[in-house]
Amino acid sequence: DQQVKQNSPSLSVQEGRISILNCDYTNSMFDYFLWYKKYPAEGPTFLISISSIKDKNEDGRFTVFLNKSAKHLSLHIVPSQPGDSAVYFCAASAERTGANNLFFGTGTRLTVIP
Amino acid sequence: KAGVTQTPRYLIKTRGQQVTLSCSPISGHRSVSWYQQTPGQGLQFLFEYFSETQRNKGNFPGRFSGRQFSNSRSEMNVSTLELGDSALYLCASSLVLAGGLETQYFGPGTRLLVL
Repeated sequence: DQQVKQNSPSLSVQEGRISILNCDYTNSMFDYFLWYKKYPAEGPTFLISISSIKDKNEDGRFTVFLNKSAKHLSLHIVPSQPGDSAVYFCAASAERTGANNLFFGTGTRLTVIP
Repeated sequence: KAGVTQTPRYLIKTRGQQVTLSCSPISGHRSVSWYQQTPGQGLQFLFEYFSETQRNKGNFPGRFSGRQFSNSRSEMNVSTLELGDSALYLCASSLVLAGGLETQYFGPGTRLLVL
């Protein structure tokens, strides 16, 4: 049972435009959410995270929005750059249970077109 | 700081053999988690070690085991390899943030091919 879902396997965006990657989750115990970027033959690289006590967290060109009532989060990249082309994974954990293992979505492949 | 390192990077084994993968966490990180990535199942949690003790375990058979040493380095072992064990095995070490939230930092992975 996939508790974290990324329904768009791929996304193409023009350079300079906004990239919006979406993620849905089903487990209401999740209280910490992270986005990772992954290049081929490398491990996932941490991008940005958000705690369930917030609804927005911003770090440079990256902003994560959390809508707890909808069990939905999104990653906005503005402006998108060709170097952002990678697979993006959404992950969640239920820190309050004492378990910090991450549940991952299946990833969205972002292609930024120059 | 050096990142998470994993050895070996690539490995080819045959069915029935066993394999041991190694992970060195970021200096100062005491938690090490292991994940399996396959095209069909995505990234799935195997287990986590903290202070040489298994703190959490995913839904994998007993053929998958691990351990952590006093210097926080960790190994995972897979016995009686099956074709389906072919995957990228990722290790992640954790930094505890304020409020107890733990962000995991991943190594490059070990790609295992079972023939």
